[in-house]
Amino acid sequence: EDQVTQSPEALRLQEGESSSLNCSYTVSGLRGLFWYRQDPGKGPEFLFTLYSAGEEKEKERLKATLTKKESFLHITAPKPEDSATYLCAVQASGTYKYIFGTGTRLKVLA
Amino acid sequence: DVKVTQSSRYLVKRTGEKVFLECVQDMDHENMFWYRQDPGLGLRLIYFSYDVKMKEKGDIPEGYSVSREKKERFSLILESASTNQTSMYLCAIQTGRVEETQYFGPGTRLLVL
Repeated sequence: EDQVTQSPEALRLQEGESSSLNCSYTVSGLRGLFWYRQDPGKGPEFLFTLYSAGEEKEKERLKATLTKKESFLHITAPKPEDSATYLCAVQASGTYKYIFGTGTRLKVLA
Repeated sequence: DVKVTQSSRYLVKRTGEKVFLECVQDMDHENMFWYRQDPGLGLRLIYFSYDVKMKEKGDIPEGYSVSREKKERFSLILESASTNQTSMYLCAIQTGRVEETQYFGPGTRLLVL
């Protein structure tokens, strides 16, 4: 069964304290892995798509990496405005369907 | 920029009412999706549509129906709302190519009393 598990469920960081969020997955043929950011009461905002093991993508303080079993979202020197829930999703080959994890709630303290 | 709009940000309905949630896109994308999001359960797919009048059930279609009469609009219908349908409802769009990313609307928070 295709599955996505995100850890930790919640994370509190001091401003400037770098850390990583984990997304472990099992899928029958990975077509893509997606990271989204979601602010309270809003829809998810697309961040990255990763397609194959070894791939990395960066955007400002965020860097996403992918292996055959998991993805990491590295946050370097976070700021309070990075506080949000970060969602991971996978898509199996040949299907439109995304399987979402339950997210990591990140709080960055000033 | 991808633009997806949903008809309401907040809705309060009574048990048994018929509820319509509408999603509109301006990108001419073929694929449109309805999800619900609940704490601890993540996003779950209710229905998706890959063309006008075409639809497929997702993981949790019970109690819902959909309508897509025009390419730009995809409606989610709760035939007889129940309290367990209180949730955040999210619409997403995607081009017809399976490798494209899904983009989400702002969401509708529905409370059924």
